[in-house]
Amino acid sequence: EIVMTQSPATLSVSPGERATLSCRASQSVNNNLAWYQQKPGQAPRLLIYGASTRATDTPARFSGSGSGTEFTLTINSLQSEDFAVYYCQQYINWPRTFGQGTKVEI
Amino acid sequence: EVQLVESGGGLVQPGGSLRIFCAASGFTFSNYNMNWVRQTPGKGLEWVSYISTGSGTIYYADSVKGRFTISRDNAKNSLYLQMNSLRAEDTAIYYCARAIRWPDYWGQGTLVTVSS
Repeated sequence: EIVMTQSPATLSVSPGERATLSCRASQSVNNNLAWYQQKPGQAPRLLIYGASTRATDTPARFSGSGSGTEFTLTINSLQSEDFAVYYCQQYINWPRTFGQGTKVEI
Repeated sequence: EVQLVESGGGLVQPGGSLRIFCAASGFTFSNYNMNWVRQTPGKGLEWVSYISTGSGTIYYADSVKGRFTISRDNAKNSLYLQMNSLRAEDTAIYYCARAIRWPDYWGQGTLVTVSS
C-alpha cells in the first residue's frame, strides 16, 4: 500500500497570503495525484488531478506541482472561502490512499 | 448537473448488516466507474471499494474485504454497498464518488453508525 503523508497538519495563514501544502508518497506515483478540498459538513471537492491540472471551476489561485513522490499544492492570495481541509490522493495503485489532510486556518 | 445522493445509512448493532444506496443523475451513469469512500467523524478519508462501468472489475480495501459487497444497476442509475458483519470501526460517513481514474464528483454522504 502506498502511504501518503501530508505536511503540515495545520497551516495558519492570513487572508491574502500564500499557502503551501506538501504531500509525499511512500513510492513513486508518477503524476497520478489528486487534491481535494473539504469544508465542514460538506463532501470533498476535486481541485487538482494529474498533479497539476485544475479541475473545472477550480480558481486559478490554486496550483499543483510535483511528480514521483513529492507534491505541492499552492494557494495564492488566500480568500476566506479557502479555509478548509485539503487532502491528496494517489490513483496509480490499489488500494487508493489519501493523505491525512492539512487544515488551512486563519 | 451531476448529482449523487446517498441513502440507507443508520444505526446498526455490531455484527449486523446494512445496505446503502447512491442515486446518480445528471450524467451517463453507465459510462463511469464508481467508488465508495468513507470518513470517520473528525478523521480523514478512507477508500472502501471500486466498481467499473460494467461491474467486471471490483476492488475492496482490506479492512472490508469479505464483509462488504459493491454492486451497481446501470438501468436504474444506482450504486449499492452491502455491508455485513459490521464493526464499531465501520462507523463513518459513506460517500459515493464518480471516477474517471480519480474521483471527480462526490455525494453528500450517508452516516452509518455501528453501536449497541
